[in-house]
Amino acid sequence: GAVVSQHPSRVICKSGTSVKIECRSLDFQATTMFWYRQFPKQSLMLMATSNEGSKATYEQGVEKDKFLINHASLTLSTLTVTSAHPEDSSFYICSVSQGLGQPQHFGDGTRLSIL
Amino acid sequence: QKEVEQDPGPLSVPEGAIVSLNCTYSNSAFQYFMWYRQYSRKGPELLMYTYSSGNKEDGRFTAQVDKSSKYISLFIRDSQPSDSATYLCAMRRGADGLTFGKGTHLIIQP
Repeated sequence: GAVVSQHPSRVICKSGTSVKIECRSLDFQATTMFWYRQFPKQSLMLMATSNEGSKATYEQGVEKDKFLINHASLTLSTLTVTSAHPEDSSFYICSVSQGLGQPQHFGDGTRLSIL
Repeated sequence: QKEVEQDPGPLSVPEGAIVSLNCTYSNSAFQYFMWYRQYSRKGPELLMYTYSSGNKEDGRFTAQVDKSSKYISLFIRDSQPSDSATYLCAMRRGADGLTFGKGTHLIIQP
């Protein structure tokens, strides 16, 4: 069965809107979750590492004020794309891992389209 | 040079053939190696996970890691049309997030 639940699966909204995406770990408590982005015909690129109870760690080139991450519990991390613009249109996907040395399991992603 | 190189394909083979998918990498700090399968508009599904050089087999899938050459492979035996998908190699250092290859689009012809 699914290990990770991601919601919503699809969002279409106007430019300037803020969009919140939820990622839930269903099978275990996850102190760390990861957020990735995938543009068409490109690979998944790590955006940030979400740490429960502390600030997220962002990859180089990812604006932390644009992509707000909140990891308030051991089973839920949220990514908010603030004031989204058409160039933010992409496939956003989260993953969870049980710990060091364990594989990452992915949700089914959120397809975001900004008009 | 990208950290992980993977031929995007497409790779088209007849049903029943053995499929060979490969990735090379440049960062010797990578410790864990994975293969994921991704269908269109879906999240990646973990197929194989290894952390040492050598072979690991699971059903029709065999993962091979050669750390000295910085080269990993995935073999699929008795390929089926349902195996048609994009196959992503991924690597990890410690507890870091994953670094992915670009993915190989595989087509199994009935």
